[in-house]
Amino acid sequence: EAGVTQFPSHSVIEKGQTVTLRCDPISGHDNLYWYRRVMGKEIKFLLHFVKESKQDESGMPNNRFLAERTGGTYSTLKVQPAELEDSGVYFCASSQDWGRKGNEQFFGPGTRLTVL
Amino acid sequence: AQTVTQSQPEMSVQEAETVTLSCTYDTSESDYYLFWYKQPPSRQMILVIRQEAYKQQNATENRFSVNFQKAAKSFSLKISDSQLGDAAMYFCAYRSYTGTASKLTFGTGTRLQVTL
Repeated sequence: EAGVTQFPSHSVIEKGQTVTLRCDPISGHDNLYWYRRVMGKEIKFLLHFVKESKQDESGMPNNRFLAERTGGTYSTLKVQPAELEDSGVYFCASSQDWGRKGNEQFFGPGTRLTVL
Repeated sequence: AQTVTQSQPEMSVQEAETVTLSCTYDTSESDYYLFWYKQPPSRQMILVIRQEAYKQQNATENRFSVNFQKAAKSFSLKISDSQLGDAAMYFCAYRSYTGTASKLTFGTGTRLQVTL
């Protein structure tokens, strides 16, 4: 079974440019999460999809970030325009169920974003 | 809001020895999950061990075990008979048990080195 995949693995862009990150969850996983780790700090939650609906987007830093999950399969996270503080590693995770089951979240390898 | 603290940025252990990684958390909830995740260099983050707060018995997974002290809000990870493959970043994480909030709250991580 294929794991969670993310594309690209690295992205280097200039301040003010746009970048789109993609996440393909494990097939059949309704839940998809985005997290971000800024260098040396904790991994922070960004948002949670259940199928194509945003269940929780309380971690999205501002309106320069736009996440979509059309059709409830893969998800994209667009940053427009990118700022220096957006640099970090963006992780995607997926899980099969939610609620009281505490199901394991399977993580992708992350996308390392560098904004110059 | 919940917080997770890992006070050891780096730890080192000799092969075959035992090491304990510390984690404390703060929450007003009585029901929750705690996790330890491992991220080897340039590889995906994987779940090491999970503890449900209502269970008094400490979780164990082969060479990995936890010391869960609910009253003290402490959740340490013990790695016995350390192996070179245990070298990685270790993240402690918290998740609420109830409701629809299934996001993980992470600590800043502990980098574990394993020496010969």
